[in-house]
Amino acid sequence: KAGVTQTPRYLIKTRGQQVTLSCSPISGHRSVSWYQQTPGQGLQFLFEYFSETQRNKGNFPGRFSGRQFSNSRSEMNVSTLELGDSALYLCASSLVGTGNYGYTFGSGTRLTVV
Amino acid sequence: EDQVTQSPEALRLQEGESSSLNCSYTVSGLRGLFWYRQDPGKGPEFLFTLYSAGEEKEKERLKATLTKKESFLHITAPKPEDSATYLCAAGGGGADGLTFGKGTHLIIQP
Repeated sequence: KAGVTQTPRYLIKTRGQQVTLSCSPISGHRSVSWYQQTPGQGLQFLFEYFSETQRNKGNFPGRFSGRQFSNSRSEMNVSTLELGDSALYLCASSLVGTGNYGYTFGSGTRLTVV
Repeated sequence: EDQVTQSPEALRLQEGESSSLNCSYTVSGLRGLFWYRQDPGKGPEFLFTLYSAGEEKEKERLKATLTKKESFLHITAPKPEDSATYLCAAGGGGADGLTFGKGTHLIIQP
């Protein structure tokens, strides 16, 4: 079966711009989580959506936002990009958004801010 | 605040040389302890979930164990294709997503 699909794979943006990343979860998975991965901080939790509702949010500024659609697809948006936002952004989906099942990750979107 | 610490940061082994990776966690109300494997340029690949102290799970050359404060990933007779970064993550009772360790970069030399 198809895995978690993230688009685009690579993105280069300029400081001050905004960006939207997309994630299509595994069919039947209703929970979608987003993580930021950097060499210095590792993987850090951004937010989780379940049935179109944000269930949890990590410790990131309000420039980072997301949403989930009725078909479980999710998008995350970063406004007013900063150089420090350069990272690999990973999306993960699971059958139940309680953490009691393995999260399946996509290959990520590599964002470079210049 | 939930914390996950992995050691060592990097490990180089000869093919066939068994070893263990450590994951220490401080999480209130552990919902699950997860192990992932990540290859360069890819997202983490799910390996195991452990839920309670004493639990063990195996997959090919890998075996994960869990105590109340630590988890170990034992790798037996590794092969070069086992080279990857191994990530440990804990899901806490606060449900603020998963807290990840920084990972162990494992290199298996033929």
